[in-house]
Amino acid sequence: DSGVTQTPKHLITATGQRVTLRCSPRSGDLSVYWYQQSLDQGLQFLIQYYNGEERAKGNILERFSAQQFPDLHSELNLSSLELGDSALYFCASSDRTGAAGELFFGEGSRLTVL
Amino acid sequence: GNSVTQMEGPVTLSEEAFLTINCTYTATGYPSLFWYVQYPGEGLQLLLKATKADDKGSNKGFEATYRKETTSFHLEKGSVQVSDSAVYFCAPSDNNNDMRFGAGTRLTVKP
Repeated sequence: DSGVTQTPKHLITATGQRVTLRCSPRSGDLSVYWYQQSLDQGLQFLIQYYNGEERAKGNILERFSAQQFPDLHSELNLSSLELGDSALYFCASSDRTGAAGELFFGEGSRLTVL
Repeated sequence: GNSVTQMEGPVTLSEEAFLTINCTYTATGYPSLFWYVQYPGEGLQLLLKATKADDKGSNKGFEATYRKETTSFHLEKGSVQVSDSAVYFCAPSDNNNDMRFGAGTRLTVKP
């Protein structure tokens, strides 16, 4: 158990819809990362937050947005869903920024868009 | 920023075979280097790391040596087991910001 909790574990929805994925980081971790893993594209970095502020942005579509709340949990909002958005979405957390350290991953949220 | 090139898979080996998964990186400085492993149905977890040149990271029989001169961090194991079947990811990091991973190498070990 990494200590990172993601909900829901599975989600099935239709094209055009909007979903919210939630992540609770390990206790005390200030950094939260979001990744998308699809079969043909490996693990894609989407966005990182540190203590409520956006720290780095990767290949995140404009239809996607994220935020980190004062209690440090984070949400990833996916809107106007397309078939190609079907993927595993991982959240990770770490206790630092400014120095390299281990990331702790949740078990992922599997999104299926029909 | 940093980037990484990882050996493409999939890799299929018989039990007790020798494993090498190549990883090379580009970086402006001297990042720490990480290997993560993803077992079926799970998230990634840290396998091993090295923080400076010539350091060797090791865990569960896996090893990787930080080679500054060749900017490489190849993963090796002398005798793989069926339970090592997973996807392996290489990643450089100097400040934990913008953490990006290699494409991942899927390893299947057959009995």
